[in-house]
Amino acid sequence: GESVGLHLPTLSVQEGDNSIINCAYSNSASDYFIWYKQESGKGPQFIIDIRSNMDKRQGQRVTVLLNKTVKHLSLQIAATQPGDSAVYFCAENINFGNEKLTFGTGTRLTIIP
Amino acid sequence: DGGITQSPKYLFRKEGQNVTLSCEQNLNHDAMYWYRQDPGQGLRLIYYSQIVNDFQKGDIAEGYSVSREKKESFPLTVTSAQKNPTAFYLCASRETGRNNSPLHFGNGTRLTVT
Repeated sequence: GESVGLHLPTLSVQEGDNSIINCAYSNSASDYFIWYKQESGKGPQFIIDIRSNMDKRQGQRVTVLLNKTVKHLSLQIAATQPGDSAVYFCAENINFGNEKLTFGTGTRLTIIP
Repeated sequence: DGGITQSPKYLFRKEGQNVTLSCEQNLNHDAMYWYRQDPGQGLRLIYYSQIVNDFQKGDIAEGYSVSREKKESFPLTVTSAQKNPTAFYLCASRETGRNNSPLHFGNGTRLTVT
């Protein structure tokens, strides 16, 4: 089956620096992508999403980039704060409407004070 | 505040017993979902429901059952037939009135079966 993977399982970043979390997907038919943040013992929290007809979308301190040519998705977090420490994972929707998101395993981001 | 409430946060059961996990949402979302999360794995879909009184199996439905008698509620029963029930269970809901809307998750129930 199709899968969503992450290049790095862990990432440590100095507080105040920018961080980039990467995600690779394998199905070119995927048309919707979501980034979630999950803190320990809690449910995933929606961060930002992007449709396949876009290559960039910005939110508050976060930017998602989509490169359909190489099937790559990234999440950029600007000026990281201690509260950004969490597991981040991406999800893709293949052929939207089938109600089945495919989730990656996640990258643990640690902010160093 | 609008959101999804899962209860209890921690649940312990003996092997062979059925157990029901609660999920309530006040977001007025039509669609609700149950996922299972295991260490080192992505979320896996157990069951989902797009409308009251209707639900479909996800990728790992064996050993689980659900009901959707009310829009706000989507309880999940983990039966004794589930071979490896110990896991973190997440309930989610989604607005279906527009395309490409994200899932909103509850804070999960950690089930331990011994």
